[in-house]
Amino acid sequence: AQSVTQPDIHITVSEGASLELRCNYSYGATPYLFWYVQSPGQGLQLLLKYFSGDTLVQGIKGFEAEFKRSQSSFNLRKPSVHWSDAAEYFCAVGARGAGSSNTGKLIFGQGTTLQVKP
Amino acid sequence: GAGVSQTPSNKVTEKGKYVELRCDPISGHTALYWYRQSLGQGPEFLIYFQGTGAADDSGLPNDRFFAVRPEGSVSTLKIQRTERGDSAVYLCASSPLRGSPEQYFGPGTRLTVT
Repeated sequence: AQSVTQPDIHITVSEGASLELRCNYSYGATPYLFWYVQSPGQGLQLLLKYFSGDTLVQGIKGFEAEFKRSQSSFNLRKPSVHWSDAAEYFCAVGARGAGSSNTGKLIFGQGTTLQVKP
Repeated sequence: GAGVSQTPSNKVTEKGKYVELRCDPISGHTALYWYRQSLGQGPEFLIYFQGTGAADDSGLPNDRFFAVRPEGSVSTLKIQRTERGDSAVYLCASSPLRGSPEQYFGPGTRLTVT
């Protein structure tokens, strides 16, 4: 079955420290990969995506993620965390292909809550 | 430009009542999705519209849930005989491309069933 696992439910880091949020997926083939951020009471904002090409992708707000096919992982990183990064982060996968059977629906992990200590 | 909008932002209803949740997608986006996000969970897919038709409703939990998109733009998610377990944030997303996982999300409607 297709699934996304975010092993860390809650992470606390100090402001200025580096960050890595883990994401592993189970899928029949390499899917499209996404990271979203959700602040309290807000909708989902796309941080970055991987479709093809360079396996290290850059996103907004200084985030990057690396796709590792051998590990079925797409971990999110940031070299120096800011207090405003405190939020919930979701990894998601979507099917490739433009066939009529592909609906584009996303499968999400359960999320990682990031707390930033001053 | 305007993003995806959802109304109301919050809805409190009593168990057994009927509710409607509205989604206004980005203008020109032909694909529209509904997701449900329960507390402490990631969003879960409910239904996908391509134009006016529901192309995939495999995520609807039961026949109390129904959604329409009569003119291929605004969509309404309808829940009959609400139950406390329906309490969640209902998210709408739209995409300019058919069957594209690259979607733009609205702020959601928080539904509370008392």
